[in-house]
Amino acid sequence: DIQMTQSPSTLSASVGDRVTITCRASQTINIWLAWYQQKPGKAPKLLISQASTLESGVPSRFSGSGSGTEFTLTVSSLQPDDFATYYCQQYNSYSTFGPGTKVEIK
Amino acid sequence: QVQLVESGGGVVQPGRSLRLSCTASGFSFSFYAMHWVRQVSGKGLEWVAVIWHDGSEKYYADSVKGRFTISRDNSKNTLHLQMSSLRAEDTAVYYCARDQRLWRPAYYFDYWGQGTLVTVSS
Repeated sequence: DIQMTQSPSTLSASVGDRVTITCRASQTINIWLAWYQQKPGKAPKLLISQASTLESGVPSRFSGSGSGTEFTLTVSSLQPDDFATYYCQQYNSYSTFGPGTKVEIK
Repeated sequence: QVQLVESGGGVVQPGRSLRLSCTASGFSFSFYAMHWVRQVSGKGLEWVAVIWHDGSEKYYADSVKGRFTISRDNSKNTLHLQMSSLRAEDTAVYYCARDQRLWRPAYYFDYWGQGTLVTVSS
């Protein structure tokens, strides 16, 4: 089974900050990685697929990069609506989610 | 617009069974593989099961294999999850989710329901 890790587990930031979340896979997953945003009491929202493809309607301040085993999600200028928990997900072999990164207000 | 609405959650005793349903609208249900994903309160997400667009193939997470059964009725745009031999560790919010790709699943999800809470407790 492919295991996913994320760092940090919690990130404190201010509006306007550039933030980066790292996701690592226990074995190579090529580019088969997605990122989701989840707010309390809501379902996850797909942000990025294939490691770097922004989904329709997602603001361009979000970007993804990486391949193989190491990936990043970057928010170029954090907005009030971006405070949430972010999950990476591999789909190279079935599906496994990372443990999540909570982005909180500093 | 795409909508997925889960139902059937509730409180159930350990060892008993429960059936979840997900009613889909706003898209051609029979064209897409569908999944169940669960989330323990305050914790991360766990993929549970997938069913091909035509029901021909089904796959499960090891944690539920042999206890849960995924099914669908394309004539009624409905997805089901039959859960048996339930355990305390099955307590979670269960989401149905649409696979992003047509026909054969890609295993990532572009639309999710609002979730239904299953609590396994005596």
